[in-house]
Amino acid sequence: DQQVKQNSPSLSVQEGRISILNCDYTNSMFDYFLWYKKYPAEGPTFLISISSIKDKNEDGRFTVFLNKSAKHLSLHIVPSQPGDSAVYFCAASDSSGGSQGNLIFGKGTKLSVKP
Amino acid sequence: KAGVTQTPRYLIKTRGQQVTLSCSPISGHRSVSWYQQTPGQGLQFLFEYFSETQRNKGNFPGRFSGRQFSNSRSEMNVSTLELGDSALYLCASSSDVNYGYTFGSGTRLTVV
Repeated sequence: DQQVKQNSPSLSVQEGRISILNCDYTNSMFDYFLWYKKYPAEGPTFLISISSIKDKNEDGRFTVFLNKSAKHLSLHIVPSQPGDSAVYFCAASDSSGGSQGNLIFGKGTKLSVKP
Repeated sequence: KAGVTQTPRYLIKTRGQQVTLSCSPISGHRSVSWYQQTPGQGLQFLFEYFSETQRNKGNFPGRFSGRQFSNSRSEMNVSTLELGDSALYLCASSSDVNYGYTFGSGTRLTVV
């Protein structure tokens, strides 16, 4: 059973507009959430993270929102740029066991930003 | 500073063989995790090492094993290769102070 779900396999937006990527999770023990971006033939690149004690974290054009009651998080990219075109992965971690190295990933959303 | 280095980048093996993949973490990082990426299953956690000890393990058969050396470099081994083991194997390291795991570019393993 998937603990982290990204229900939209793909998303297409116009350059300059907002991109919103969504992620749902089922495990209430997850206490840290991350977004990664991945280009073909490269490893994932860390974008932004959020702890379960917060509901928003912002870094430049990227903002992550966390709704714990709905077990939902989203990544907003504003404004979107063609260079943002990549696959975006949502990941979650349960650190109660003393380790943060076990990241559970969603299947990814392919974002295409059109000029 | 240098990123996470994985060698080799590409590998072709025959069913039944065994393979060893190598990962050199970012200098100072003591936590190393391994992931398998396939089109059908996405990114799946294999195991994590910290200070030469396996700290966490995913749901993979015993044919998948790993180890970490005193300099934090890590290797993973897959014995008795099966066609389904064809995948991109990714290594990630962290200083364990925060969650910013940095990934390498991966090793693309093809089993024929």
